[in-house]
Amino acid sequence: GEDVEQSLFLSVREGDSSVINCTYTDSSSTYLYWYKQEPGAGLQLLTYIFSNMDMKQDQRLTVLLNKKDKHLSLRIADTQTGDSAIYFCAEMGSSNTGKLIFGQGTTLQVKP
Amino acid sequence: GAGVSQSPSNKVTEKGKDVELRCDPISGHTALYWYRQRLGQGLEFLIYFQGNSAPDKSGLPSDRFSAERTGESVSTLTIQRTQQEDSAVYLCASSFAGQGHNEQFFGPGTRLTVL
Repeated sequence: GEDVEQSLFLSVREGDSSVINCTYTDSSSTYLYWYKQEPGAGLQLLTYIFSNMDMKQDQRLTVLLNKKDKHLSLRIADTQTGDSAIYFCAEMGSSNTGKLIFGQGTTLQVKP
Repeated sequence: GAGVSQSPSNKVTEKGKDVELRCDPISGHTALYWYRQRLGQGLEFLIYFQGNSAPDKSGLPSDRFSAERTGESVSTLTIQRTQQEDSAVYLCASSFAGQGHNEQFFGPGTRLTVL
């Protein structure tokens, strides 16, 4: 079945880079996503990557996709305290409904 | 512009009672999704609507859960005879269409607590 795994916690210093990793099982995934969830706020789409790409850059965010290993990562450059949140990796499953399969989330703690 | 709204924001109920959760999607979005987020967990897919039809109900955990959508707009998720394990945040999302990449916009969720 479809499954997405993430490490649960990451702590970095302000100004450092953060790398959040994710693995997934569905080799027919078409799109992979990174969402951000802040306390008291809804889920916010940060970025996504189509499965035929291996990298996507958007300002401070870099997404790397290794389709062979089914590994996705999100790099945040120059991490700020405002980046502290829970980050969810999600894949669009093999059905054509657009439903998303989420990982359990990585809590990013940014220390000043 | 208005985003996805959900009501109530919080619901506390007693075990065995029925609850109804409401979602108002973004106007014009034909696809609507319900997800459940248990404490400390990721989101679990429950059901997908395209228009008023639900072609994918595969995530509904039991027959106590049902959902409907009317007017290609508002959706209601109903949980009958609630159990303590139903306690979670229930999130609704809508998108312009269901297939391919269409950004899903999430509502703030309804936090359900079953005592």
